[in-house]
Amino acid sequence: GEDVEQSLFLSVREGDSSVINCTYTDSSSTYLYWYKQEPGAGLQLLTYIFSNMDMKQDQRLTVLLNKKDKHLSLRIADTQTGDSAIYFCAVPRGGSYIPTFGRGTSLIVHP
Amino acid sequence: GAGVSQSPSNKVTEKGKDVELRCDPISGHTALYWYRQSLGQGLEFLIYFQGNSAPDKSGLPSDRFSAERTGGSVSTLTIQRTQQEDSAVYLCASKPQGSSGNTIYFGEGSWLTVV
Repeated sequence: GEDVEQSLFLSVREGDSSVINCTYTDSSSTYLYWYKQEPGAGLQLLTYIFSNMDMKQDQRLTVLLNKKDKHLSLRIADTQTGDSAIYFCAVPRGGSYIPTFGRGTSLIVHP
Repeated sequence: GAGVSQSPSNKVTEKGKDVELRCDPISGHTALYWYRQSLGQGLEFLIYFQGNSAPDKSGLPSDRFSAERTGGSVSTLTIQRTQQEDSAVYLCASKPQGSSGNTIYFGEGSWLTVV
């Protein structure tokens, strides 16, 4: 089955850029996703990228996809304290509509 | 409301009891998912319903877990003879037919504690 790996923690200073990385094993996925989970809340879709794209930019968010290396990253520019949350990478398994999620990266933003 | 609604939001139960968790998907959404999130773990897929097709139950961890979806809308996840390791947040999500990016929308979860 699909395997999705993320580092568990990232700490950055307010105003800096954050880069959260994800690797996956299944290359047949059409879309790849980033979700955000704030404390005590459900998951909120942040952005997604179509598999035939290398990059997608959406305001402060930039998603980079390297299909050859099966590597997905999320860059948050000008990181704010409100960006502190857990970020999940999700990749549908085997061309299905069932996303496999990584364990999540806890982003801590300090002044 | 317009989002995925789950109830109860919190449930404390004694080991060995049965529990039922309910999910009201967004109106008109044809696909419904259950995931489980344990402390320090990622989201573990449990079950997927799509329209009238047979559900994909490949993620259910044991035969104590079952789910049904009545009338293509509301879903109930049932855990029989609960164990302490069942303590987790149970998340429901739904997806419309042909959504942009095949996006799925999550509820806020049902927090289950087995004591």
